[in-house]
Amino acid sequence: SAVISQKPSRDICQRGTSLTIQCQVDSQVTMMFWYRQQPGQSLTLIATANQGSEATYESGFVIDKFPISRPNLTFSTLTVSNMSPEDSSIYLCSVSPGGGNTIYFGEGSWLTVV
Amino acid sequence: AQSVAQPEDQVNVAEGNPLTVKCTYSVSGNPYLFWYVQYPNRGLQFLLKYITGDNLVKGSYGFEAEFNKSQTSFHLKKPSALVSDSALYFCAVRDNSGYALNFGKGTSLLVTP
Repeated sequence: SAVISQKPSRDICQRGTSLTIQCQVDSQVTMMFWYRQQPGQSLTLIATANQGSEATYESGFVIDKFPISRPNLTFSTLTVSNMSPEDSSIYLCSVSPGGGNTIYFGEGSWLTVV
Repeated sequence: AQSVAQPEDQVNVAEGNPLTVKCTYSVSGNPYLFWYVQYPNRGLQFLLKYITGDNLVKGSYGFEAEFNKSQTSFHLKKPSALVSDSALYFCAVRDNSGYALNFGKGTSLLVTP
């Protein structure tokens, strides 16, 4: 398994601002994933972030809105840019340790945009 | 394309009774199937997975799931429910070409004393 820490755990953000979410893993992992869970909804993959390469975004998500950094094998950030109330969601970082089959999730970052 | 269906929004069961949370899937190739649980105000916790092998998979907290290829199902089960099992349960699937998971909409389990 893996221990995944996310910061912030919760935040209330003003419309039009940007917020960067940090994800720290206790072991080196090649693949990191960012998911979004809108209120009362399921999880949707935003992007896959591999160290040393540009993040790969899913349909409906763009780099200008959700820029991602992956500076090393234990850390990644997701920025939610120019936020609107529709961005109010839980943002979850997840990893696949050792390239195995199981994906583990952090506790999530709960963002409310007002 | 791959997808998961969880036909029940909510499942209610009395404590001590067996529980089943349903999941059906659609995937090209061999499915990799997962169950996760989300407690209130928490992230997702991995419960169990089916990759290959025995159709009955045992996981955390006494949960198990049965893979049925002919019915394309992967139902989550527990012989005796606890009030503390009350949570949101997600089924997820991926094929063997990548790691990204497709999640079902989730099923809310309520176990009453």
